[in-house]
Amino acid sequence: QQQVKQSPQSLIVQKGGISIINCAYENTAFDYFPWYQQFPGKGPALLIAIRPDVSEKKEGRFTISFNKSAKQFSLHIMDSQPGDSATYFCAASMGTYKYIFGTGTRLKVLA
Amino acid sequence: NAGVTQTPKFRVLKTGQSMTLLCAQDMNHEYMYWYRQDPGMGLRLIHYSVGEGTTAKGEVPDGYNVSRLKKQNFLLGLESAAPSQTSVYFCASTRLAAGKGEQFFGPGTRLTVL
Repeated sequence: QQQVKQSPQSLIVQKGGISIINCAYENTAFDYFPWYQQFPGKGPALLIAIRPDVSEKKEGRFTISFNKSAKQFSLHIMDSQPGDSATYFCAASMGTYKYIFGTGTRLKVLA
Repeated sequence: NAGVTQTPKFRVLKTGQSMTLLCAQDMNHEYMYWYRQDPGMGLRLIHYSVGEGTTAKGEVPDGYNVSRLKKQNFLLGLESAAPSQTSVYFCASTRLAAGKGEQFFGPGTRLTVL
């Protein structure tokens, strides 16, 4: 019940395309869902986050879509750029400041 | 403002050796964490601390010990290293009352145990 399942494991997208990464969870007590971006050799950094009282959050080219009834949330990267090539992690927490991370998606955007 | 720093950046150990990884943060954060990152397994929580002098176990605590003697520092120790502890280790911190729970990560320590 504590798991967060992330897919796909890897993703290749053409420049200008849309990248979509999906996550699913079981524990309905989770109340905070962040996405982290990690470049090679660096630590993860917060990209965007959402709480379950909204269905969508957009920041620039990055959008989180949240489906509370399906217990799923996804990251959409519009107009994907080579600079977006990185590993993306979804996560979930429930007010304890402890995260449960997904297994990560390695995104490669072709120029 | 350096954020979260980790030392060392790289280390190679032989089986059975011990070492300590140091994490420091200058953001006055209450919570600090140690994770390990392995291919295909994401980030797994080893130990965490909710304040100076307190620590707690995470998902994968076996073979590790921690200490938080000062608010800004969080140490991760391996008493007798094993090849299964070959990994990249990340430290993170967050404010107690951040509201949104953002964790700030250090640059990582790549550890190889032979």
